[in-house]
Amino acid sequence: SAVISQKPSRDICQRGTSLTIQCQVDSQVTMMFWYRQQPGQSLTLIATANQGSEATYESGFVIDKFPISRPNLTFSTLTVSNMSPEDSSIYLCSVEGVAGGTYNEQFFGPGTRLTVL
Amino acid sequence: SQKIEQNSEALNIQEGKTATLTCNYTNYSPAYLQWYRQDPGRGPVFLLLIRENEKEKRKERLKVTFDTTLKQSLFHITASQPADSATYLCATNPANTGTASKLTFGTGTRLQVTL
Repeated sequence: SAVISQKPSRDICQRGTSLTIQCQVDSQVTMMFWYRQQPGQSLTLIATANQGSEATYESGFVIDKFPISRPNLTFSTLTVSNMSPEDSSIYLCSVEGVAGGTYNEQFFGPGTRLTVL
Repeated sequence: SQKIEQNSEALNIQEGKTATLTCNYTNYSPAYLQWYRQDPGRGPVFLLLIRENEKEKRKERLKVTFDTTLKQSLFHITASQPADSATYLCATNPANTGTASKLTFGTGTRLQVTL
């Protein structure tokens, strides 16, 4: 298993500003994932962050809006840039389990609840 | 396009009964399905994974089935308890991603177990 922490746990921000969310894992992992969960909705993958390379973004998400850093194998940040109220959401990071096999479960952080006014 | 659907209406059952949640998928054939539990204000927690060549998987009071003909997975909690109250999410790999770990989630079904 993996233990994941996120900072901040919640924040209230003004529109037009940016917020950087940190994700720390207690073990080294190759891929880290960033998800968004809008109110009443399910999780939507924003991007996959690999150490040493550019993040891979899903359709509808762009680097200018959600820049990601992955400086080492245990840490990643997601920045929500130029925020608008539509960015109000819970942002979660996750990593894949390393139990072996082709398909593994994911472990999620507690999430960052963002409210944009 | 591929879709995963769960009943968005909350499921209310009495303690001790079996809760059954449904996950339907369309327009692709996933290699596996995963089920997660999410409590308010927390990230999802993995429960069970079932592969396309498996019909059924069990873990304690939990049972998952995978019917590739019906394109459906059922998630059962037997002898349900109020502590089982949570939102349950199904997830699967997007089509043609091989061993990639990206997951597509359903919208989740909220389960409420009452005394």
